[in-house]
Amino acid sequence: DADVTQTPRNRITKTGKRIMLECSQTKGHDRMYWYRQDPGLGLRLIYYSFDVKDINKGEISDGYSVSRQAQAKFSLSLESAIPNQTALYFCATSDGPSGDNQPQHFGDGTRLSIL
Amino acid sequence: GQNIDQPTEMTATEGAIVQINCTYQTSGFNGLFWYQQHAGEAPTFLSYNVLDGLEEKGRFSSFLSRSKGYSYLLLKELQMKDSASYLCAAGTYKYIFGTGTRLKVLA
Repeated sequence: DADVTQTPRNRITKTGKRIMLECSQTKGHDRMYWYRQDPGLGLRLIYYSFDVKDINKGEISDGYSVSRQAQAKFSLSLESAIPNQTALYFCATSDGPSGDNQPQHFGDGTRLSIL
Repeated sequence: GQNIDQPTEMTATEGAIVQINCTYQTSGFNGLFWYQQHAGEAPTFLSYNVLDGLEEKGRFSSFLSRSKGYSYLLLKELQMKDSASYLCAAGTYKYIFGTGTRLKVLA
């Protein structure tokens, strides 16, 4: 089984719909992250969390919200999806409290298309 | 501001050596990571530098110069499976990623 699991792997939906992407991990890491990846723009940080009670905005948080339900679960929501949120979304984890110097471990990604 | 620059594309021949450069400007610095990403797949960790100098891991080596804001990833004895994007990431507790360098290895 994968250490970082994202569901769904693919999703096609319509403008205005509410969407939730889920991420769960078995690595026991404290730190979890959500990124989106667009061609030519690289990975951009949406939100991150260093423990269950900690939520922080990344560089592109507008239009997104997150929930850290447990140490192992971090979900990303699009309250009202718009076409420019079409992208490949990655969840990642890293160890803490020394997480600053630890690599991030990525899930397999969710390919989201908004029509 | 914060910025990471990498070449967009590189091409090399199987068995050769290739160097992928990365320059960075970040508001803080705890280290620099290199990741490999095959098309449509997750990035996977390759190497990490926190001090100046060269870190070697088999066919892959990474170099860091903090005073110059510069790093490179060196891939030796290239194989076809090394065709992928290579991402440079730098910063502190939240890292900034470069857009990646797409490497094509030709037979």
